[in-house]
Amino acid sequence: EVQLVESGGGLVKPGGSLRLSCAASGFTFSSYSIHWVRQAPGKGLQWVSSFSTSAYIFYADSVRGRFTISRDNAKNSLYLQMNSLRAEDTAVYYCARGGAKYGDDHLYVYWGQGTLVTVSS
Amino acid sequence: DIVLTQSPGTLSLSPGERATLSCRASQSVTSSYLAWYQQKPGQPPRLLIYGASNRATGIPDRFTGSGSGTDFTLTISRLEPDDFAVYYCQQYVNSPPWTFGQGTKVEVK
Repeated sequence: EVQLVESGGGLVKPGGSLRLSCAASGFTFSSYSIHWVRQAPGKGLQWVSSFSTSAYIFYADSVRGRFTISRDNAKNSLYLQMNSLRAEDTAVYYCARGGAKYGDDHLYVYWGQGTLVTVSS
Repeated sequence: DIVLTQSPGTLSLSPGERATLSCRASQSVTSSYLAWYQQKPGQPPRLLIYGASNRATGIPDRFTGSGSGTDFTLTISRLEPDDFAVYYCQQYVNSPPWTFGQGTKVEVK
């Protein structure tokens, strides 16, 4: 069974930092693109960052230069280092796995339960 | 960037009725790389449809996706109590940013 479990969320002051983790199991982690998608309270879904199997990394404009995505295939884990946090970064952050077929890297087939990040003074 | 516009914002229907949700893209979605997700309160999204018209594993056949180019539709043939939720479309063409529509809420009338 595919499982994605996020951790590391919490309350942080504006300008602060936080590191999110996503622990994966039930599939060959190194064979799939993994992504972060967020959802502000009461709002829609927003793609944040992706780490492909070929080590291509992508960021949304709103987080580029502040967030850093990384993965450790030996530990089956994905990370998101978030610096210079702003109030507008407040959201539930989901880890999601891409599809298996060519072209489906950014099809979010499996999702974790999410971890809440609150940026407030 | 590909902007996805969903309509209506809210759909008020009764169980057993048919629901038709629209997703319009600001430019053509190549290879029909268009997906639909269902989200219930307090839960992560669940993939329903990929490739515009393919049901994901375990999705009942009352959910049908259709469309191509810039116009896509999700149809729920007969609403069941479990189907009242928010639905999002998403394009996953091979270049960033990968975007979602703003969502359509299907609520009980």
